[in-house]
Amino acid sequence: DAGVTQSPTHLIKTRGQQVTLRCSPKSGHDTVSWYQQALGQGPQFIFQYYEEEERQRGNFPDRFSGHQFPNYSSELNVNALLLGDSALYLCASSLPGAPYEQYFGPGTRLTVT
Amino acid sequence: KQEVTQIPAALSVPEGENLVLNCSFTDSAIYNLQWFRQDPGKGLTSLLLIQSSQREQTSGRLNASLDKSSGRSTLYIAASQPGDSATYLCAVKSGNQFYFGTGTSLTVIP
Repeated sequence: DAGVTQSPTHLIKTRGQQVTLRCSPKSGHDTVSWYQQALGQGPQFIFQYYEEEERQRGNFPDRFSGHQFPNYSSELNVNALLLGDSALYLCASSLPGAPYEQYFGPGTRLTVT
Repeated sequence: KQEVTQIPAALSVPEGENLVLNCSFTDSAIYNLQWFRQDPGKGLTSLLLIQSSQREQTSGRLNASLDKSSGRSTLYIAASQPGDSATYLCAVKSGNQFYFGTGTSLTVIP
């Protein structure tokens, strides 16, 4: 049973550039959530996708956008990168209903220089 | 807005000890509470999930309890082992969002 996968593993970008991160959910899951985890902090909720629509959004600027494809995989796009965007980006998948248990991928480490 | 706090931030214990990690949240209107383990630089591994209607869940040496009315959860680890060394995070689903604490970094000394 394939778990949640994310690509790439690591990424180095320059301030002002744009980046796309990818996530494939656990088999059978159709809901994908994205999180940003700064060093030493807990994950912060960015947004959640279900049925190819953004269902809920956390307190992140419009520079952060996403997409969900018909096969339930998802992308996170960040435009105009800032140094403060350096973090571990985590993707989690779940079923849309209770008990809302989340399964996380290994993350993508983004470094902005 | 929901706020999740974990105390202590770090904990160091000798191998074999039983220990308790604490998680508190400010809004009792939650759907569930989930405990995770995170190894350095890695993703999160789900340990236990307690639905809002439940009081506790057990898996092996782990036991998690939930007291919604007081906004608290505890994770009990029995007979700790060096392999338990990691950061432990709790998260609550409140509304359509998930809120995480900052974690407790556990070191089990052989």
